[in-house]
Amino acid sequence: EVQLVESGGDLAKPGESLRLSCAASGFLFRTVWMNWVRQAPGKGLEWVAHIKKESDGMTTDYAAPVKGRFIISRDDSKNMLYLQMNGLKAEDTAVYYCTWNYYGWEKNWGQGTLVTVSS
Amino acid sequence: DIQMTQSPSTLSASVGDRVTITCRASQSISNRLAWYQQKPGKAPELLISQASTLQSGVPSRFSGSGTGTEFTLTITSLQPDDFATYFCQQYNTYWTFGQGTKVEIK
Repeated sequence: EVQLVESGGDLAKPGESLRLSCAASGFLFRTVWMNWVRQAPGKGLEWVAHIKKESDGMTTDYAAPVKGRFIISRDDSKNMLYLQMNGLKAEDTAVYYCTWNYYGWEKNWGQGTLVTVSS
Repeated sequence: DIQMTQSPSTLSASVGDRVTITCRASQSISNRLAWYQQKPGKAPELLISQASTLQSGVPSRFSGSGTGTEFTLTITSLQPDDFATYFCQQYNTYWTFGQGTKVEIK
């Protein structure tokens, strides 16, 4: 069974940093692309960051609102996905989901982890 | 950036109704469109990929169609479990979601 379990969400002040983690199991993690997608309270879904598999260069992409502040990474030896969030802003407040990006669409989602940015 | 516009934002319907949700892309995305269902407090779940390919385990009352810039999600006979919010997503160029359509009980 595919499982994606996010952790690391917390209350942070503007300007602070947080690191989210996503533990993957039930599939061959090193062979897949992964995304982070977020959802602000009561709002829609927003793609945040993308990372390809190692054989595709492990290249990354970011949505404009987070480019230069967030860093997506992966540790295939541990089946882990990460999102380092720096310079947090109030508008980063959201539930963050890690997803298995399969041929473009989000095949599986984690349960999400809540990040709240407030002074 | 490719914008995705869903309509309606809210839809009131009864059990047994046929329901159609529309998603329009700001430029052609071929068939690179997915549909998701989200229930309150839960993560979204994939229903349809490639505009019309039903995922394993998804009831056949769900169907998707369209290509280019206009797409539809149809539920032929609404069931109590279908009251939820539905999102479309383009994956032609990066990823963009529609704003969602909430299907509520009439």
